[in-house]
Amino acid sequence: DAGVTQSPTHLIKTRGQQVTLRCSPKSGHDTVSWYQQALGQGPQFIFQYYEEEERQRGNFPDRFSGHQFPNYSSELNVNALLLGDSALYLCASSKTGAGYEQYFGPGTRLTVT
Amino acid sequence: QKEVEQDPGPLSVPEGAIVSLNCTYSNSAFQYFMWYRQYSRKGPELLMYTYSSGNKEDGRFTAQVDKSSKYISLFIRDSQPSDSATYLCAMSVGGTSYGKLTFGQGTILTVHP
Repeated sequence: DAGVTQSPTHLIKTRGQQVTLRCSPKSGHDTVSWYQQALGQGPQFIFQYYEEEERQRGNFPDRFSGHQFPNYSSELNVNALLLGDSALYLCASSKTGAGYEQYFGPGTRLTVT
Repeated sequence: QKEVEQDPGPLSVPEGAIVSLNCTYSNSAFQYFMWYRQYSRKGPELLMYTYSSGNKEDGRFTAQVDKSSKYISLFIRDSQPSDSATYLCAMSVGGTSYGKLTFGQGTILTVHP
């Protein structure tokens, strides 16, 4: 049973560029959440997708957007990249009604130069 | 003030020791309490979750929640070098918002042989 997968593993972008990160949830899961983890900090909630719609959102600007596909996979898009966007981006999946039991992928390390 | 406070450590203990990890929180609406383990350059791994107050045991791990004091703990018995990692506490409220996890900063634990 494959767990949560994310791609790419690492990414280097320049300020002002746009980036798309991808996530495939654990088998049987239909809800995907995205988190940003700065070095030495705990993950911070960006947003959550269920039934192809954004269900909840954390304190992140509109430059951060997402999408969920009919097969439950998801994308995170970040526009107009800033140096401060450099972080580990984590995807977590869960079943409906069990949002407290989230399983994380390995993350995508984004570096903005 | 952060919603969830966690002593970042680092914490260094000898093999076989009992480890105590703690978090305090300010949001009385939190009802679900989770502990994650994160190895270097990996995604967080769910260890345990607890609903409301009380204790929960799983092998060498015991989670305790005291909602009256807004204080949660994770105890690791007979600690092993393989337990060396960053331990993150996370919390969520009930209802439709339970999918948003709020994390502590993480405690770095080293168990030396």
